[in-house]
Amino acid sequence: DGGITQSPKYLFRKEGQNVTLSCEQNLNHDAMYWYRQDPGQGLRLIYYSQIVNDFQKGDIAEGYSVSREKKESFPLTVTSAQKNPTAFYLCASSPLAGGNQPQHFGDGTRLSIL
Amino acid sequence: QKEVEQNSGPLSVPEGAIASLNCTYSDRGSQSFFWYRQYSGKSPELIMFIYSNGDKEDGRFTAQLNKASQYVSLLIRDSQPSDSATYLCAVKPTNAGKSTFGDGTTLTVKP
Repeated sequence: DGGITQSPKYLFRKEGQNVTLSCEQNLNHDAMYWYRQDPGQGLRLIYYSQIVNDFQKGDIAEGYSVSREKKESFPLTVTSAQKNPTAFYLCASSPLAGGNQPQHFGDGTRLSIL
Repeated sequence: QKEVEQNSGPLSVPEGAIASLNCTYSDRGSQSFFWYRQYSGKSPELIMFIYSNGDKEDGRFTAQLNKASQYVSLLIRDSQPSDSATYLCAVKPTNAGKSTFGDGTTLTVKP
């Protein structure tokens, strides 16, 4: 089945620790996105990538980093600089960034501070 | 003013009624409009998209777009308890790499 796989489903971070959230897609989509969702809130864009080896900051990029070395993969690192990382993290992809196609989402990763 | 605004909700309707969810947007260059449904604790799933002015129907769902008024809505006919969820509106300008999401409207359908 084609889709977007996020792992792990739950993740706990210790003070001062960097953690990496995985996102893999087998849909052959060019564009990939990372969103953060806090309880009762909408989605806020962290980073997005339209092509391999290129990515752009979203609205809340501070304290996060990404890479796009392969078309299928777009990992997100939550660094120790992100002081309030507890949230639901969603990865999405769409066929072409510049087109009008919708985004499709993975199942998400819940990150909490220990 | 937020780029995409939705009714703050929550919205409660009886089973079998029509639920009306509204969304306004500020960027007149927006060309693509999407409605996602998000159940509690789950990720959003696409239910409708619309690109042209007018209505688009898919089963019990109808999306309505009025670009002059910068307004898009979602109607759910014959609402069912299983429709209880948060509905997110997303707007995308042409040739832009990203969509902007509203904060969502929570719908409760009471049996």
